[in-house]
Amino acid sequence: EAQVTQNPRYLITVTGKKLTVTCSQNMNHEYMSWYRQDPGLGLRQIYYSMNVEVTDKGDVPEGYKVSRKEKRNFPLILESPSPNQTSLYFCASSEGRGIQYFGAGTRLSVL
Amino acid sequence: QQQVKQSPQSLIVQKGGISIINCAYENTAFDYFPWYQQFPGKGPALLIAIRPDVSEKKEGRFTISFNKSAKQFSLHIMDSQPGDSATYFCAATTSGTYKYIFGTGTRLKVLA
Repeated sequence: EAQVTQNPRYLITVTGKKLTVTCSQNMNHEYMSWYRQDPGLGLRQIYYSMNVEVTDKGDVPEGYKVSRKEKRNFPLILESPSPNQTSLYFCASSEGRGIQYFGAGTRLSVL
Repeated sequence: QQQVKQSPQSLIVQKGGISIINCAYENTAFDYFPWYQQFPGKGPALLIAIRPDVSEKKEGRFTISFNKSAKQFSLHIMDSQPGDSATYFCAATTSGTYKYIFGTGTRLKVLA
């Protein structure tokens, strides 16, 4: 079954405590992306990756890091989380500009 | 210039009616316009997409209308059903990039 898997699904943390949200896809897609979803703001792209070792900033990259060492994985790293990063996060993958498949989301609360 | 403006924010339609959601953009370099459907607790899923070389695309009860000169595109849901109740997002992107700009979303409720 084609899947984009994010972990964890829910996370509560405190300001400044480094965290990583993992994302893995089983479709051999070249393109992967991270979004955050906030009420009234829709989906905003954080970072995207066109292939292994190739990443670029989206609209809201500040405070986030990513890496793409393997084709299937695209972790999102928050080195020093702040309360304004409390949000619902989605990972997505696609083959070129085809259908973007989204994960089920990670709800993050930073206290 | 990078924004995609989506309206309305919320929409209530009777079963069997037509739901219409509108989006407008400024960046004329955008050349791919997908629509996504999101149910509560789920990730968005691609519904239908259009490129600016066509004015309309239809898939079942879902139709995208595209007006290149006005820089607007809209989603029409014909014969709306309660199962269509979800949040809908329009989006835009440009060839050669994978940078997507999403609208702010429309929460649709179809009354039985």
